Amino acid sequence: NAGVMQNPRHLVRRRGQEARLRCSPMKGHSHVYWYRQLPEEGLKFMVYLQKENIIDESGMPKERFSAEFPKEGPSILRIQQVVRGDSAAYFCASSPERRQETQYFGPGTRLLVL
Amino acid sequence: GDSVTQMEGPVTLSEEAFLTINCTYTATGYPSLFWYVQYPGEGLQLLLKATKADDKGSNKGFEATYRKETTSFHLEKGSVQVSDSAVYFCALSSGGSNYKLTFGKGTLLTVNP
Repeated sequence: NAGVMQNPRHLVRRRGQEARLRCSPMKGHSHVYWYRQLPEEGLKFMVYLQKENIIDESGMPKERFSAEFPKEGPSILRIQQVVRGDSAAYFCASSPERRQETQYFGPGTRLLVL
Repeated sequence: GDSVTQMEGPVTLSEEAFLTINCTYTATGYPSLFWYVQYPGEGLQLLLKATKADDKGSNKGFEATYRKETTSFHLEKGSVQVSDSAVYFCALSSGGSNYKLTFGKGTLLTVNP
């Protein structure tokens, strides 16, 4: 049973470019969460999605960041016009319905903005 | 808001040594508490959890007890192995948003043979 998959594992972008991070949840999981880990910091909650719905985006920066979890395909975290401060590790997690505290994490995407 | 503070790393131990990684928290209400472990190149894995005061979570020889009076959830293991080398994260969830985990900064543990 494959775990949570994220790609790419490493992403390098220049300032002003767009970054797209993908997350495929565990089989049978319909809840996806995104977290960001800035250097020397703990993971911080960004957004919680179910299929075709954003449930809680209270941790998302107000501008340039968006997330989706379409009916088919992976969840996407999109960062437009990246800046150096966006350099971080982005982790995706998934959970089965009704067990939201039990989250299974992917290996993360390390984004470096030059 | 909620917060988690865990001891700064890195921690370096010899095989079979005793391990303690301290974790304290601030939260509204009665949080659930977790320890996650991240092995090199992998995602975070849930190591153990406790959902109410005085509960003890345990797994793979690791233990942590939910201490409400000291707001702590220290991780312990009596005899570490080289394979325990990893980053350990303390975390909590609380209130109506129990899906929203709050993490500490992580503690890197290296165990030498």
